[in-house]
Amino acid sequence: KAGVTQTPRYLIKTRGQQVTLSCSPISGHRSVSWYQQTPGQGLQFLFEYFSETQRNKGNFPGRFSGRQFSNSRSEMNVSTLELGDSALYLCASSLVPGGEAEAFFGQGTRLTVV
Amino acid sequence: AQKVTQAQTEISVVEKEDVTLDCVYETRDTTYYLFWYKQPPSGELVFLIRRNSFDEQNEISGRYSWNFQKSTSSFNFTITASQVVDSAVYFCALSGAAGNKLTFGGGTRVLVKP
Repeated sequence: KAGVTQTPRYLIKTRGQQVTLSCSPISGHRSVSWYQQTPGQGLQFLFEYFSETQRNKGNFPGRFSGRQFSNSRSEMNVSTLELGDSALYLCASSLVPGGEAEAFFGQGTRLTVV
Repeated sequence: AQKVTQAQTEISVVEKEDVTLDCVYETRDTTYYLFWYKQPPSGELVFLIRRNSFDEQNEISGRYSWNFQKSTSSFNFTITASQVVDSAVYFCALSGAAGNKLTFGGGTRVLVKP
């Protein structure tokens, strides 16, 4: 079956702009989580959605937001981009929302802010 | 707060040698889950193994084995008879019972030379 699909794969934006990243989970998976990966901070949890509701949120400013649609697809938005937002953004989907769930990751969207 | 520490930043071995990756974690949860993920150059995180806090039995799965010790809060991972395709960054991760929120260690880069 198809894996987690993230679009676009690469993105270059200018400081101050906003960006929307998309994630399509594995069919049947209803839990979607987002992570930011940078060389300095490593992998950091952004937020988790299940059944269109945000269940958990990481320690990121309000410029980072997300949502989940009824078909479980998820988007995350970053407004007023800063140079430090340059990162690999990874989406993961799980069958169930519990902590024991195996998370399947997409290949990520590499965002470069110039 | 949860924390995962991977003290080894990079390990270099020759093919067929065994590789052991160290992971130490901190959590106040009584129920928690530990994971190992592999990140090849393509970027996606690949699930390798999971262990819950109530099961300290150590197992072997193919060339992978793990050593979970609650007394020392360690969850070490071994690749036996390493192969060039094992070259990747390996992450240890921890989640609580509620929600898919993974706390990752800093990762260990494994380089297997032919």
